[in-house]
Amino acid sequence: NAGVMQNPRHLVRRRGQEARLRCSPMKGHSHVYWYRQLPEEGLKFMVYLQKENIIDESGMPKERFSAEFPKEGPSILRIQQVVRGDSAAYFCASSPLSDTGELFFGEGSRLTVL
Amino acid sequence: KNEVEQSPQNLTAQEGEFITINCSYSVGISALHWLQQHPGGGIVSLFMLSSGKKKHGRLIATINIQEKHSSLHITASHPRDSAVYICAVNSRATNKLIFGTGTLLAVQP
Repeated sequence: NAGVMQNPRHLVRRRGQEARLRCSPMKGHSHVYWYRQLPEEGLKFMVYLQKENIIDESGMPKERFSAEFPKEGPSILRIQQVVRGDSAAYFCASSPLSDTGELFFGEGSRLTVL
Repeated sequence: KNEVEQSPQNLTAQEGEFITINCSYSVGISALHWLQQHPGGGIVSLFMLSSGKKKHGRLIATINIQEKHSSLHITASHPRDSAVYICAVNSRATNKLIFGTGTLLAVQP
């Protein structure tokens, strides 16, 4: 049973480009969470999704950021018109349960904006 | 003041020492997680607790709900235990994880 798979592991973008980060949850998990870890800072919640639904996006910036978890395929975190401040590690976690379920984290995607 | 506070922020130990990392929180929780992150690496979930104590190998985690405090203990520490240990609580009010800033542990041979 493969763990949570994130790709790419490392992504370099120039300012103004788009970044797409993908997360495939563990088999049987229908709850996906995205977290951002800025350099020298702790992890912060961004968004919580279930299949085809955004449950809570209160941690996500209102502009340029979007997330989806389609019926088929991985969850995608999309950042449009990236700026240097978007440089961070983005972690995905999945859970079989929505409440107090054990979380399984991916290896993270490290975005560098030049 | 952060809702989740960890201490110490940095810890250096000699191989074989007993290590304790503390976590205090100020919100109502449904569960507490201890996570491990190696430099540049992914995050591994070590424990999820809602009461009492759990043990896995050389790692022990305890939680006192009344005092809003948890500890992570490492017995017979080893250099491969060197990592950042992160405490995170599942807020009952928001059902979201709130993370501490982590404790950087370095175990020297």
